[in-house]
Amino acid sequence: DVKVTQSSRYLVKRTGEKVFLECVQDMDHENMFWYRQDPGLGLRLIYFSYDVKMKEKGDIPEGYSVSREKKERFSLILESASTNQTSMYLCASSLKNSPLHFGNGTRLTVT
Amino acid sequence: AQTVTQSQPEMSVQEAETVTLSCTYDTSENNYYLFWYKQPPSRQMILVIRQEAYKQQNATENRFSVNFQKAAKSFSLKISDSQLGDTAMYFCAFMKQGGSEKLVFGKGTKLTVNP
Repeated sequence: DVKVTQSSRYLVKRTGEKVFLECVQDMDHENMFWYRQDPGLGLRLIYFSYDVKMKEKGDIPEGYSVSREKKERFSLILESASTNQTSMYLCASSLKNSPLHFGNGTRLTVT
Repeated sequence: AQTVTQSQPEMSVQEAETVTLSCTYDTSENNYYLFWYKQPPSRQMILVIRQEAYKQQNATENRFSVNFQKAAKSFSLKISDSQLGDTAMYFCAFMKQGGSEKLVFGKGTKLTVNP
């Protein structure tokens, strides 16, 4: 089975802090994604990557950046966390033209 | 841009009964995939069922089946013999074939199965 591991299940940070959310997959998938999930809004794509060192903006990239230095790892970075970034963050990976496999999510609270 | 609409924010069903969750989408693409994902309280997103747009036959996975109407751009999920473990958020999602493989999600339907 594919395993997508997000480093933290819960995270509490202060406004203005730099925050790193880490995601690792173990199935050599080319594609990796970061989504944000908010009640009533569903899942919205922040960034995705289809190869090492490649990245593309999703629908809501403002306030976020990403890093993919190795194929198995995709990091989401909040340069200066704000309270409106309090949310559930979901990482996913996939092969080409295949369903996404998701991690367990990181619930981030920014105070 | 593609959009996915789930018109039922919440639904409930009695155990052992059948329930249908609605999903419509908007796209100008001809080749694409449609998915239903389940998210139980544990938060793990689980793939329930997948449909390729070029296939006329509706996908089925055990108690889960879809009614795919390509012309109407409709993709409903039917759950038969509902079980307590089916209680979850259900998301409908669209993926363009041959593109960047990103999923576009609907806002979800919260399904509660009552004993």
